[in-house]
Amino acid sequence: RKEVEQDPGPFNVPEGATVAFNCTYSNSASQSFFWYRQDCRKEPKLLMSVYSSGNEDGRFTAQLNRASQYISLLIRDSKLSDSATYLCAVTVTGGGNKLTFGTGTQLKVEL
Amino acid sequence: DGGITQSPKYLFRKEGQNVTLSCEQNLNHDAMYWYRQDPGQGLRLIYYSQIVNDFQKGDIAEGYSVSREKKESFPLTVTSAQKNPTAFYLCASSAQTGGAYEQYFGPGTRLTVT
Repeated sequence: RKEVEQDPGPFNVPEGATVAFNCTYSNSASQSFFWYRQDCRKEPKLLMSVYSSGNEDGRFTAQLNRASQYISLLIRDSKLSDSATYLCAVTVTGGGNKLTFGTGTQLKVEL
Repeated sequence: DGGITQSPKYLFRKEGQNVTLSCEQNLNHDAMYWYRQDPGQGLRLIYYSQIVNDFQKGDIAEGYSVSREKKESFPLTVTSAQKNPTAFYLCASSAQTGGAYEQYFGPGTRLTVT
């Protein structure tokens, strides 16, 4: 089983739709959680950290479920510019802040 | 402007040659990292350094070497021993933010070895 797993997609959604991605992690000692956005042939850009209480940044909401060992990203009112690959990443307690990435979920927002 | 720079953006080499990829940051971050990304795969950690003059192997260190002589710089050498060196190489750095070590990436170097 991979340490961090994501549905690769692609998720094709119409503009204005709400879309949600999940990311599961296998190590119960996982400590910190992040969502990154990666455009084609570009570097990943930090979208948001995921806190235990959940957090929101504009149209984006991230949540953590430690009991079921997954994090989620919700995008409301999707824009064409949201089309990208979304990577989740986790660090493990005592792991020296090493990030383990999922393979990413591709989102395509269409007119 | 504060940030992470990687050079060159594209690099072509012949098989059997060592090549060094540059990574510089002016964010005053203590920790720096090297990842590689292959099509259809996530980022995989090659080496990381949490402090000057110290570094640790990541998950796929074989065929690579690094140095950390200055806080700002963390060059990666891809040696001829690396069997599949063609990839997108990404450098990152981090500083503690609210208890979470958020990592920020440079623009990457695409290495092609033929």
